[in-house]
Amino acid sequence: SAVISQKPSRDICQRGTSLTIQCQVDSQVTMMFWYRQQPGQSLTLIATANQGSEATYESGFVIDKFPISRPNLTFSTLTVSNMSPEDSSIYLCSVRTSGRAKDTQYFGPGTRLTVL
Amino acid sequence: GENVEQHPSTLSVQEGDSAVIKCTYSDSASNYFPWYKQELGKRPQLIIDIRSNVGEKKDQRIAVTLNKTAKHFSLHITETQPEDSAVYFCAASDRRSYIPTFGRGTSLIVHP
Repeated sequence: SAVISQKPSRDICQRGTSLTIQCQVDSQVTMMFWYRQQPGQSLTLIATANQGSEATYESGFVIDKFPISRPNLTFSTLTVSNMSPEDSSIYLCSVRTSGRAKDTQYFGPGTRLTVL
Repeated sequence: GENVEQHPSTLSVQEGDSAVIKCTYSDSASNYFPWYKQELGKRPQLIIDIRSNVGEKKDQRIAVTLNKTAKHFSLHITETQPEDSAVYFCAASDRRSYIPTFGRGTSLIVHP
């Protein structure tokens, strides 16, 4: 399995500001993802973070609002830009491992964001 | 794209009873079906998965069955315990994208 850490674990922000969330994995992984989980809801994929190229965004999510970086195979950041209260949610980093645990997907602990 | 339906949304059982959660999917190309357990305030954790070349898989008190013809799969938990209380998510993915589509989740409550 992969050990995934996220920073910050939680934050309270003012509307109009931006927050960058960091995701660190203890091993090199090919695929990293960012999800959003609103209270009591399922997991919604925001984008796939591609190493060395632009992220691939899902329908309803755009780069200007959720810029993503992936400088190497163990680290990624997600920025939530120009925040509004509707952005209040839990943001989860996720990775797919390869090898014996091929196709297995693991999640980070999440970042709980509250926008006032 | 893939669409995953999950039922029920809430399931309440007595300790020791069995619990069954059912999911259906729409894309016949899907071939990997993981189940995740998410306790309150924690991250989703993979508890069991099944691939399309098998019909059933067991791991102690939990089992998953897959019917590819009918495009449905189920999670079975026997001898439920209070610590099984959590939200369970099913998912389906295929070889092309390897990106799972998640169901809406089932809140399982096990009463002692």
